[in-house]
Amino acid sequence: AQTVTQSQPEMSVQEAETVTLSCTYDTSESDYYLFWYKQPPSRQMILVIRQEAYKQQNATENRFSVNFQKAAKSFSLKISDSQLGDAAMYFCAYRRGISNFGNEKLTFGTGTRLTIIP
Amino acid sequence: SAVISQKPSRDICQRGTSLTIQCQVDSQVTMMFWYRQQPGQSLTLIATANQGSEATYESGFVIDKFPISRPNLTFSTLTVSNMSPEDSSIYLCSVGTGWSYEQYFGPGTRLTVT
Repeated sequence: AQTVTQSQPEMSVQEAETVTLSCTYDTSESDYYLFWYKQPPSRQMILVIRQEAYKQQNATENRFSVNFQKAAKSFSLKISDSQLGDAAMYFCAYRRGISNFGNEKLTFGTGTRLTIIP
Repeated sequence: SAVISQKPSRDICQRGTSLTIQCQVDSQVTMMFWYRQQPGQSLTLIATANQGSEATYESGFVIDKFPISRPNLTFSTLTVSNMSPEDSSIYLCSVGTGWSYEQYFGPGTRLTVT
């Protein structure tokens, strides 16, 4: 079974600084997808970024980027120029990569609560 | 992306009663997923609902406790039956699409059982 581990229950960062959230996963499959979701106090799960395992290039979305190390099974999220609106729980998630588009279940890590210090 | 609504957004229920949560999507989707998020915890998949077939439950979740209906391609319900305080959680509906690998989530239903 696949597992996702987030070893940092809480992190804090000064506004405008950079922070990195860690995620490791365990799988025997070679084809899979990894995601970072953000859950602000409103409870709404918001997709932040996605990484396909077959891609060597790290995904980037504006201020958000990942460091994907497939051999190490590591998938960290870097947030640059942190803003107050980035404060939320961040969840790392895994899904296997069979060609079923969005119709595969997600396995989530335990989350990291990110606080932004003004 | 898909726009998903859930009803109710929150409820307080007495133990021993049942609550049905509705999930509505603005487009037709094949799979709908129901997750539970206990206080301060991560999301755990309860079951996967495919239109026209029985829902598939994850280990630890049973149909008698969490019956699911999926009458069409845009709607699903999850019932939490014979509730106890341990059922106090946020219940989230999500959908997959046929054009991307992401899942999109509803706003969640916060359930408190007293």
